[in-house]
Amino acid sequence: AQKITQTQPGMFVQEKEAVTLDCTYDTSDQSYGLFWYKQPSSGEMIFLIYQGSYDEQNATEGRYSLNFQKARKSANLVISASQLGDSAMYFCAMSPPNTGNQFYFGTGTSLTVIP
Amino acid sequence: EPEVTQTPSHQVTQMGQEVILRCVPISNHLYFYWYRQILGQKVEFLVSFYNNEISEKSEIFDDQFSVERPDGSNFTLKIRSTKLEDSAMYFCASRRERGGLGGHNEQFFGPGTRLTVL
Repeated sequence: AQKITQTQPGMFVQEKEAVTLDCTYDTSDQSYGLFWYKQPSSGEMIFLIYQGSYDEQNATEGRYSLNFQKARKSANLVISASQLGDSAMYFCAMSPPNTGNQFYFGTGTSLTVIP
Repeated sequence: EPEVTQTPSHQVTQMGQEVILRCVPISNHLYFYWYRQILGQKVEFLVSFYNNEISEKSEIFDDQFSVERPDGSNFTLKIRSTKLEDSAMYFCASRRERGGLGGHNEQFFGPGTRLTVL
């Protein structure tokens, strides 16, 4: 069974500072995908970044980067230069290599950016 | 930019009633999903659908739930006899193709349907 753990229910960051949101996972699969989604108060799920288990380099997408440490089974999201619009829930998800490739989500971290 | 759409945005129903939640996935996508999110909790997988059949389902997806792709565009989730605990946000998602090595291909989520069972 897949398990995703996000240990930070809430985080605060000063505007323009960087913040790291933690995610650890547990799987016996060798091939899997790791994703981060943002959920603002309006409720939609917005894709941020992807990391493949075989990717040797950490993924980056603009201000988002993923600190992938495979041996430790962690996939932390780093947001640089935080903006007020970054205030939202952030979910880490994993996709196993089965037929459906469904997502397993963590419990989320609520990020608040302080002006 | 193509997007997943869901209707209605909010559905209120009485306990024991049947509801059908509708989704229109992105047109060239092949894999379809339903997830639910109880208020304040994580997003939970319900079911995945490919080639006109269920490919995976979770323990939540019991006999009260069914999915259908009645035509080339719609993808529906039916709850036969709603319970209070079915109150949640229901997300539809679609993916263009099966994830390759490392499970790539993000899922595109619709805006969700908030279901309230009274």
